[in-house]
Amino acid sequence: DARVTQTPRHKVTEMGQEVTMRCQPILGHNTVFWYRQTMMQGLELLAYFRNRAPLDDSGMPKDRFSAEMPDATLATLKIQPSEPRDSAVYFCASGLVNTEAFFGQGTRLTVV
Amino acid sequence: GQNIDQPTEMTATEGAIVQINCTYQTSGFNGLFWYQQHAGEAPTFLSYNVLDGLEEKGRFSSFLSRSKGYSYLLLKELQMKDSASYLCAPRGNQAGTALIFGKGTTLSVSS
Repeated sequence: DARVTQTPRHKVTEMGQEVTMRCQPILGHNTVFWYRQTMMQGLELLAYFRNRAPLDDSGMPKDRFSAEMPDATLATLKIQPSEPRDSAVYFCASGLVNTEAFFGQGTRLTVV
Repeated sequence: GQNIDQPTEMTATEGAIVQINCTYQTSGFNGLFWYQQHAGEAPTFLSYNVLDGLEEKGRFSSFLSRSKGYSYLLLKELQMKDSASYLCAPRGNQAGTALIFGKGTTLSVSS
């Protein structure tokens, strides 16, 4: 069945290291979102793409975060260098214009 | 800007009815979504309202009043498996604008 796939599911890394999270959206979906979830802040929008073009990345710390869609089947979120405050669950979601978003299972990131 | 307000926590017992309220202020409006999120899992879509009124879907119903900036999710015949967080997400009026989520309401259902 169609689902959003995220890898890795868990990542533990040391402060200062680069982290890359990957997302395969549902085939045919033209909108991809990246969210970050923490207990304190809840689910925050980091960036989103339409037809692979970035529409809004204002929620992302630009100095260390970057998001790309090299092709329609892959979205990436990169953190370089990582910091302990980046520890969170990162969700990718995909959908069509004005429909609900379908979420992947998330990447649980721990930066020590 | 966008402001979304939901109660942080609610408790209820099996078989009961619970109403989770959400008030919002958005720059324009193009519908409101409710999502359910069990602990350690991804959010899953529950309902979507774009017109005023009640949308019923089995044990779950969602209500919207656009003029009041208000929505609620009604859960009937509560079951233990309904223990989860419920997230309200209004959408702005630009086509395809991303969902901005409230911090969610954690519902605990006891026997």
